[in-house]
Amino acid sequence: KNEVEQSPQNLTAQEGEFITINCSYSVGISALHWLQQHPGGGIVSLFMLSSGKKKHGRLIATINIQEKHSSLHITASHPRDSAVYICAGTPPLDSNYQLIWGAGTKLIIKP
Amino acid sequence: GAVVSQHPSRVICKSGTSVKIECRSLDFQATTMFWYRQFPKQSLMLMATSNEGSKATYEQGVEKDKFLINHASLTLSTLTVTSAHPEDSSFYICSARGSRWEQYFGPGTRLTVT
Repeated sequence: KNEVEQSPQNLTAQEGEFITINCSYSVGISALHWLQQHPGGGIVSLFMLSSGKKKHGRLIATINIQEKHSSLHITASHPRDSAVYICAGTPPLDSNYQLIWGAGTKLIIKP
Repeated sequence: GAVVSQHPSRVICKSGTSVKIECRSLDFQATTMFWYRQFPKQSLMLMATSNEGSKATYEQGVEKDKFLINHASLTLSTLTVTSAHPEDSSFYICSARGSRWEQYFGPGTRLTVT
């Protein structure tokens, strides 16, 4: 069992739909990252959060520390949102803060 | 937000040659930088952790003599792929750690060895 698990693995939706990607972790973390990678492209850090909720444009990330669960929401999805979304946790005791990666969710938004 | 750059973004080299990839933190000091490798349609794999002024820590299975990492300053780390072979063709990504637990990712370098 992976320490950071994402669901769903693949998600296809129509433009305009509300998207939710989930991330559960079984280890203690000091922070959780949501990252985006477009096909053939580099990784962009969307959010880093250790509690509560953050919003940036149409993207919202929430984290529940007690339940060890985080969600990434996309409102009014658009084809340009098609990408792989990855959650990754930073372990608190690791002095080098090596990330623990989820497997990623491949999102396709159809026009 | 903080910015990390990588240079070059794409490089094609002949088998047997060496290639250097630079990772720079542009507006913050990064005491730790990470180098990742990604094969097509696969997750990132951590290759090594680089601390400024000290030797890099390599992950199991990563050849130290083949992938030379130098973290000479708080804003620059370099990865040199020595005697490159076609199987080294991959997407190489660096990330830099800020003052606490934040990590910022470079845009990646696509290496093709012919």
